[in-house]
Amino acid sequence: AQSVTQLGSHVSVSEGALVLLRCNYSSSVPPYLFWYVQYPNQGLQLLLKYTSAATLVKGINGFEAEFKKSETSFHLTKPSAHMSDAAEYFCAVSHANTGNQFYFGTGTSLTVIP
Amino acid sequence: EADIYQTPRYLVIGTGKKITLECSQTMGHDKMYWYQQDPGMELHLIHYSYGVNSTEKGDLSSESTVSRIRTEHFPLTLESARPSHTSQYLCASSEEGPGETQYFGPGTRLLVL
Repeated sequence: AQSVTQLGSHVSVSEGALVLLRCNYSSSVPPYLFWYVQYPNQGLQLLLKYTSAATLVKGINGFEAEFKKSETSFHLTKPSAHMSDAAEYFCAVSHANTGNQFYFGTGTSLTVIP
Repeated sequence: EADIYQTPRYLVIGTGKKITLECSQTMGHDKMYWYQQDPGMELHLIHYSYGVNSTEKGDLSSESTVSRIRTEHFPLTLESARPSHTSQYLCASSEEGPGETQYFGPGTRLLVL
């Protein structure tokens, strides 16, 4: 069975501080992993994805994530938070055996304090 | 830039009404999806389609139905809306194949009184 756990439903950081959003997955086969961002009253926008190439993945808006198989993790980071980063962030997993069906975490709401 | 559209964006209706939520994409994607999203919860897949004339139920049981008569169009219908249907509904599409990105529309926020 596939599942995603996002530790911390709410994260607050100061503007300019490091952003770290945690995502752990369970999958019996090699996963594809995604991070999406959702701004208020909008749909989900892809930040980055891991598809078995480089383990360190760079995305849009300065975000990156590292796939760590031994820790079954795919944490999202950004060196310096900006006010515009305040949003809801979702981690998702899929793999070839599920017809590209996605399994989402419950999301992490990021607040950036000026 | 993904081109996937949903209408209406917001809908307030009374119990017992029939409604259709529209979803269209211009990317030529074969696969389309409907998700239900509630605050603080993960997105739940309620319907998906592999292509024209293909529809499947997702993990979350839903009283809604879908159709796929054209590749670009994947409407969702509730025959008799109830307050328990109040939620946000997100439509998405993707290419066929493992690891493909799902592109999301802006969502329809439904309130049933």
